[in-house]
Amino acid sequence: KQEVTQIPAALSVPEGENLVLNCSFTDSAIYNLQWFRQDPGKGLTSLLLIQSSQREQTSGRLNASLDKSSGRSTLYIAASQPGDSATYLCAVRPAGGADGLTFGKGTHLIIQP
Amino acid sequence: ETGVTQSPTHLIKTRGQQVTLRCSSQSGHNTVSWYQQALGQGPQFIFQYYREEENGRGNFPPRFSGLQFPNYSSELNVNALELDDSALYLCASSLDRPGEQFFGPGTRLTVL
Repeated sequence: KQEVTQIPAALSVPEGENLVLNCSFTDSAIYNLQWFRQDPGKGLTSLLLIQSSQREQTSGRLNASLDKSSGRSTLYIAASQPGDSATYLCAVRPAGGADGLTFGKGTHLIIQP
Repeated sequence: ETGVTQSPTHLIKTRGQQVTLRCSSQSGHNTVSWYQQALGQGPQFIFQYYREEENGRGNFPPRFSGLQFPNYSSELNVNALELDDSALYLCASSLDRPGEQFFGPGTRLTVL
């Protein structure tokens, strides 16, 4: 059974810092990995999708990497802003692609102005 | 392009009742998935529909059922509600089964 772990569970940093969020998964047989952002009580916003054959994806100040063999992904946020405050969720889709995503519990991020 | 929409936004039911939640997929998407998110947890996969047929299911009992319609909108039905069913229910659509998933705003269900 696939398990996804996100470290740290919570993080508070001053505005302007670069930061890294970590995600690990137990079964390397994945189809893709997706990073999401969730604001309190709201739905999920897709940030980045990395296919299993890819090593990284970039969007603006965000960069996500994937090391499938070691079961790890990182989300790098450059020059953090107070608007980046949210919960960040990592999710993997199993190989074959037919089943749903398995999520971690998320990292609750606070950017201090 | 319209994103994923869900209705209602909030819902309060009592234990033992039945509930139907609705989802409208993003335009052109033929796959819809439903997730349950308890407070402080990541979403848990309930099931997935592809072209009106269920083709994947998580660890949820049969009282959780669904439908996908020809226009790719979808319903989640939950019978015999229990207190632990209180959660945020999220719908996600994608273009084909393994595609990037786009989520709706969710329906907050409270069971008393």
